[in-house]
Amino acid sequence: EAQVTQNPRYLITVTGKKLTVTCSQNMNHEYMSWYRQDPGLGLRQIYYSMNVEVTDKGDVPEGYKVSRKEKRNFPLILESPSPNQTSLYFCASSTPLGRAKNIQYFGAGTRLSVL
Amino acid sequence: QKEVEQDPGPLSVPEGAIVSLNCTYSNSAFQYFMWYRQYSRKGPELLMYTYSSGNKEDGRFTAQVDKSSKYISLFIRDSQPSDSATYLCAMSVSGGSNYKLTFGKGTLLTVNP
Repeated sequence: EAQVTQNPRYLITVTGKKLTVTCSQNMNHEYMSWYRQDPGLGLRQIYYSMNVEVTDKGDVPEGYKVSRKEKRNFPLILESPSPNQTSLYFCASSTPLGRAKNIQYFGAGTRLSVL
Repeated sequence: QKEVEQDPGPLSVPEGAIVSLNCTYSNSAFQYFMWYRQYSRKGPELLMYTYSSGNKEDGRFTAQVDKSSKYISLFIRDSQPSDSATYLCAMSVSGGSNYKLTFGKGTLLTVNP
């Protein structure tokens, strides 16, 4: 079964305590992305990766880091979380955008609260 | 002007109605256009994907892209209560050199039995 798995699903932490949200996909997709979703602001892309060791910034990369050492994994790192990073986070994997077809899967989400 | 504008609704229709959801955009370089459905407390799922202008149909869903007007639409025929969800549009400039996606804020749709 095609899956994008995020962990943890829920996390409450305190300002400044480093955390990592893991993301793993089992479809051998080249593209992976991280998004945050906030009321009134919609879904915004944080970082994306087009292949192993290839990452780039989305619209809201400040305060986040990513790495893509293996094709299946794309962790999101918050080195020093702040309350404005309280949000719902989604990881997604995808085939490359092309003319004919595109396949995308999203994880179930990670709800993060930074106190 | 925001890059992608989408009326947040909410939109409430009776079962069986034809639903029209729309997004406008300002960046004429967008080439890839997508619609997602997101149920409450779930991740988005890709519903329709279109490259450049034209129509695409999949069952009860039709996606239309009018690049000259910078306007995209999603039509849902014979709407069902199970279509009740938030619908998000998204766009990308280029699939080859980057994978930057820009989303609308989403439209909340309720289909009443």
